[in-house]
Amino acid sequence: QKEVEQDPGPLSVPEGAIVSLNCTYSNSAFQYFMWYRQYSRKGPELLMYTYSSGNKEDGRFTAQVDKSSKYISLFIRDSQPSDSATYLCAMTAGANSKLTFGKGITLSVRP
Amino acid sequence: DAGVIQSPRHEVTEMGQEVTLRCKPISGHNSLFWYRQTMMRGLELLIYFNNNVPIDDSGMPEDRFSAKMPNASFSTLKIQPSEPRDSAVYFCASSLDSTGTSGGVFGPGTRLTVL
Repeated sequence: QKEVEQDPGPLSVPEGAIVSLNCTYSNSAFQYFMWYRQYSRKGPELLMYTYSSGNKEDGRFTAQVDKSSKYISLFIRDSQPSDSATYLCAMTAGANSKLTFGKGITLSVRP
Repeated sequence: DAGVIQSPRHEVTEMGQEVTLRCKPISGHNSLFWYRQTMMRGLELLIYFNNNVPIDDSGMPEDRFSAKMPNASFSTLKIQPSEPRDSAVYFCASSLDSTGTSGGVFGPGTRLTVL
């Protein structure tokens, strides 16, 4: 079993839809959870950063962590064509521990 | 702020040649990361420096790969000899976070093709 599993996609939704992106993981030591957005031929950019369980909201984006289920989600409300990108989850156990990424899911928001 | 600067942006070389990728982190950032991204394997952390010292190089695939950070404003990733399976996009990232937990601000990447 891979340490971090992410739905491979791709995912296509109409503009205005609510998008749910998910990752599961096997390492119970993971404490820090991140979502990155990567536009085509660009480097990833940090979108959301959370520690331990719970929800974090930033504008149209909500990150959710359920450590008991080893499951994290990113919700995008009122999705826009500009949200079309690849989204990668990432996680680590803590200071100086290896950062492990999911393989990413490509999202397309149709106007 | 110019962000993380990587050079070259594209590199095409032949199998067996030495390849050197360069990175200038954001000024003031004390952590630097090298990543590799391929379709098959996704994004992988190769090595992580903090205050110019390698902290975790467990992601370096084999001895053909080496990385150095001689000072706070410059790092190199060298592949010698290069092989076709090394073809990938290599990203450098830097961070103010000395714990290495945030992954860093990414540069634009170097697209390496080994023929």
